[in-house]
Amino acid sequence: AQSVTQLGSHVSVSEGALVLLRCNYSSSVPPYLFWYVQYPNQGLQLLLKYTTGATLVKGINGFEAEFKKSETSFHLTKPSAHMSDAAEYFCAVSPRGDSSYKLIFGSGTRLLVRP
Amino acid sequence: EADIYQTPRYLVIGTGKKITLECSQTMGHDKMYWYQQDPGMELHLIHYSYGVNSTEKGDLSSESTVSRIRTEHFPLTLESARPSHTSQYLCASSGPLGNTIYFGEGSWLTVV
Repeated sequence: AQSVTQLGSHVSVSEGALVLLRCNYSSSVPPYLFWYVQYPNQGLQLLLKYTTGATLVKGINGFEAEFKKSETSFHLTKPSAHMSDAAEYFCAVSPRGDSSYKLIFGSGTRLLVRP
Repeated sequence: EADIYQTPRYLVIGTGKKITLECSQTMGHDKMYWYQQDPGMELHLIHYSYGVNSTEKGDLSSESTVSRIRTEHFPLTLESARPSHTSQYLCASSGPLGNTIYFGEGSWLTVV
């Protein structure tokens, strides 16, 4: 079965530092790939997605992610962290060929931003 | 930005009560979903729908039920709530391309 692994349940960075959140998926056929952000007591907001084409995907709030097929990875980065980036980040996949387009989520990474 | 609404946002009810969590979307999306998320944990799919009169159980077993009588409406019902049902329930929908799912703000349910 398809699974998603997010390394590190908590990541702490200083304001202005590089943000790197890791995500690996487990399937021989690359799925659709997503990153969502969740602020406290809120729903999920789509940051970015990869479906096809260019492997470097730019999203909202200065985030981007690169699909690397050889590494089965889709890590999320941002060059300079801002205090407002503190939130829970979820990587998710949707298997290609599954007409339900349901999402399978990783366990999430909580990003802490230190002043 | 997606237009998907959930009510109530927060609900505290007693054990044995029947509750319905409402979810509506104004985008005409065919596919709708319910995810359950315990605090600090990942999301698990509990129900989904391809369209009107279509409902399927998700990957996580749930005692809740759903209905899809209208395209825009996908309510979730618990006939007899228990403390183990305490969780956040997130409704979502996706459009014709299907490969982007939009979420509502969630309903926090506490059963005492």
